[in-house]
Amino acid sequence: QQQVKQSPQSLIVQKGGISIINCAYENTAFDYFPWYQQFPGKGPALLIAIRPDVSEKKEGRFTISFNKSAKQFSLHIMDSQPGDSATYFCAAISMDSSYKLIFGSGTRLLVRP
Amino acid sequence: DGGITQSPKYLFRKEGQNVTLSCEQNLNHDAMYWYRQDPGQGLRLIYYSQIVNDFQKGDIAEGYSVSREKKESFPLTVTSAQKNPTAFYLCASSRGYVNSPLHFGNGTRLTVT
Repeated sequence: QQQVKQSPQSLIVQKGGISIINCAYENTAFDYFPWYQQFPGKGPALLIAIRPDVSEKKEGRFTISFNKSAKQFSLHIMDSQPGDSATYFCAAISMDSSYKLIFGSGTRLLVRP
Repeated sequence: DGGITQSPKYLFRKEGQNVTLSCEQNLNHDAMYWYRQDPGQGLRLIYYSQIVNDFQKGDIAEGYSVSREKKESFPLTVTSAQKNPTAFYLCASSRGYVNSPLHFGNGTRLTVT
């Protein structure tokens, strides 16, 4: 119930294409869903986040789509660039979780020039 | 610049030795965290601390110990009881409320042989 399942494990996209990473959860108490981006040798950094009261949030080329009834959310990277090549983690947390952010297993994205 | 400093970046130890990983933050954050990152497994929470002199076990605390004597510092000791200590260790901090973003350090890669 506490898991967040992320797919695919790895993804290769051509420059200019759309990268799509999917996550699913079971715990209906989750109410905050951030995405983190991690470059090799670095720590993850917050990319974008969404609350379940909205179905979509867009920041530049990055969009989170949220489907509350299906308990799924996804990250779309439009016009993908080689500089977007990184590992992406979805995550979830609930207000009663004592600050325990639950991370997905990560998606390694490679954008080919 | 405010941030989180983890040292050293690479650490090598012999099996059976305890080792302490350093984490310092100058963001004035109340909460601090230790995560372990293994390939294909995402980030797993080892310990977290919401205030000075208090900390809680995460999902994989066995074989690890922490202290929080100062707000800025949250060292992690990997003891000889940890059966598989070779991993990438990430320290993070946050303001302490549930949807406050985690700020990560750049990690310490520990290799135990």
